Amino acid sequence: DGGITQSPKYLFRKEGQNVTLSCEQNLNHDAMYWYRQDPGQGLRLIYYSHIVNDFQKGDIAEGYSVSREKKESFPLTVTSAQKNPTAFYLCACGETQETQYFGPGTRLLVL
Amino acid sequence: QKEVEQNSGPLSVPEGAIASLNCTYSDRGSQSFFWYRQYSGKSPELIMSIYSNGDKEDGRFTAQLNKASQYVSLLIRDSQPSDSATYLCAVNPPSNDYKLSFGAGTTVTVRA
Repeated sequence: DGGITQSPKYLFRKEGQNVTLSCEQNLNHDAMYWYRQDPGQGLRLIYYSHIVNDFQKGDIAEGYSVSREKKESFPLTVTSAQKNPTAFYLCACGETQETQYFGPGTRLLVL
Repeated sequence: QKEVEQNSGPLSVPEGAIASLNCTYSDRGSQSFFWYRQYSGKSPELIMSIYSNGDKEDGRFTAQLNKASQYVSLLIRDSQPSDSATYLCAVNPPSNDYKLSFGAGTTVTVRA
């Protein structure tokens, strides 16, 4: 069953804590992306990767970090430097940078 | 000026009517255009892509592209309650290194 998965579905972060969101895909796509969505707003790009061991900052990378050690995996860490982390986080993948397929998302809440 | 702008909505249409959604973009060099549907609390789902001027039909959905006027639209014919969702327009402007830029979305409600 091919697809893109994200975990957990909900994540709670305490002040000063780093948390990591998982994104895994078995579609054999080279490109992977992380977006943030706030209520009433469009998707904003955090980081993206077009190839293993390489990734680029998007429009709002401050306070976030990523790694791309395997083609299938692109985890996102929300660091304590991100002062307003509450949002819906979406991971996407695609064969090209245009056609993107999204995972189910992780909703991050601050305690 | 935002790269991609959409009617904020909400757009309310009766069941069976045509829902018309509009999207304008600022970078004339954009080549690829997409419509995503997002149900409340869910992730976006790609429903249409269009690359050439004119109309592209897929079932009850029709995407229309006019590069000269820099707009792309989505028509939903015979609207059903299951079409109630937020529709996101996405464009790949050269000014953004051809990465997708998304509009804020238009929320559609289909009244039974």
